Amino acid sequence: DSGVTQTPKHLITATGQRVTLRCSPRSGDLSVYWYQQSLDQGLQFLIQYYNGEERAKGNILERFSAQQFPDLHSELNLSSLELGDSALYFCASSGRQGEKLFFGSGTQLSVL
Amino acid sequence: GENVEQHPSTLSVQEGDSAVIKCTYSDSASNYFPWYKQELGKRPQLIIDIRSNVGEKKDQRIAVTLNKTAKHFSLHITETQPEDSAVYFCAARVNDMRFGAGTRLTVKP
Repeated sequence: DSGVTQTPKHLITATGQRVTLRCSPRSGDLSVYWYQQSLDQGLQFLIQYYNGEERAKGNILERFSAQQFPDLHSELNLSSLELGDSALYFCASSGRQGEKLFFGSGTQLSVL
Repeated sequence: GENVEQHPSTLSVQEGDSAVIKCTYSDSASNYFPWYKQELGKRPQLIIDIRSNVGEKKDQRIAVTLNKTAKHFSLHITETQPEDSAVYFCAARVNDMRFGAGTRLTVKP
């Protein structure tokens, strides 16, 4: 167990809908990262937060947004969902150094 | 942002042989290079890492080498075992962490 908690584990929804993925980092970690992993694909960096502030942005679509709350948990909001958004979404957290990332177990999103 | 390329995409070896996976990065400011192992249906897990002020690091059967001048780093697994079969990802960090596309390693008994 990495100490990073992601909910829900599975999510099935329809095109055009909006969903929210939640992540609780390891105790004491200030950084949260979101990654998208499509079938047999790599880990595409979406966005990083540090202590509530956006730190870096990757290939995140405009339909997607995220935030980190004062208690350091983070939410990834995906809207106007398309079939191609179906993927495994991982959250990871790291300490002050921003080095060792610890991943949650992921949220498997299926858009039908 | 940082761009990390990883080769090969698939690698098949016989049990007991060595496996080598190579990565290159684009941003010379990258200062931290971890390797993650992802077993089927599971989360990526850190197996070894190296910082830019170190050229080589070893942990039992796995080792990582870094060539800052050439901007490439490699993972070496010796005496491979079937349980080493997984997808391996390299990564590089400047401000955020960017991953390579992954290498699917299969170790045949």
